[in-house]
Amino acid sequence: EAGVTQFPSHSVIEKGQTVTLRCDPISGHDNLYWYRRVMGKEIKFLLHFVKESKQDESGMPNNRFLAERTGGTYSTLKVQPAELEDSGVYFCASSQDTLGSEQFFGPGTRLTVL
Amino acid sequence: AQSVTQLGSHVSVSEGALVLLRCNYSSSVPPYLFWYVQYPNQGLQLLLKYTSAATLVKGINGFEAEFKKSETSFHLTKPSAHMSDAAEYFCAVSDSGYSTLTFGKGTMLLVSP
Repeated sequence: EAGVTQFPSHSVIEKGQTVTLRCDPISGHDNLYWYRRVMGKEIKFLLHFVKESKQDESGMPNNRFLAERTGGTYSTLKVQPAELEDSGVYFCASSQDTLGSEQFFGPGTRLTVL
Repeated sequence: AQSVTQLGSHVSVSEGALVLLRCNYSSSVPPYLFWYVQYPNQGLQLLLKYTSAATLVKGINGFEAEFKKSETSFHLTKPSAHMSDAAEYFCAVSDSGYSTLTFGKGTMLLVSP
């Protein structure tokens, strides 16, 4: 069974540009999470989807970030316009909807904003 | 609010030595606790988790962790380090097991021959 996949693995953009990150969760996983790790800091939660609905988006930094999950399958995270402080590694994770279920993480997308 | 503290951003051990990575947490509810490992250029992989069953939890690759409520700790140990254990290790807490994770800052484990 395929794991969580993320695309692209790396992205280098200039300040003010737009970038879209994509996450494909494990098939059948209703829960999808986005996290971010800024260099030198801890991994921080951004938002949580249950199927296509946003369960919790309390970690989204500001309205430059827009997350969607089409039909409860893959998810995209768009940053528009990107700022220097958005640089970091963006992780996606998915899990089944049962208590104590493990979150399976993707390899991350390393975003560099110049 | 939950929080996780990992003591030491870097820990160095010799091959064959005991590995001890420290994690302390704070949580207002009985916590679910996790240790994840990240090898270079890979995603986070679950090592083990505590979900209110046995306090001594055994994970993959010979790692184990003990939940100590009185000390609010969940330290990760391995009796004998291998070179392949060199990676970054993250402790995390959740309040329901499938809600969001709160991570510590991570500890980089360095293993020397």
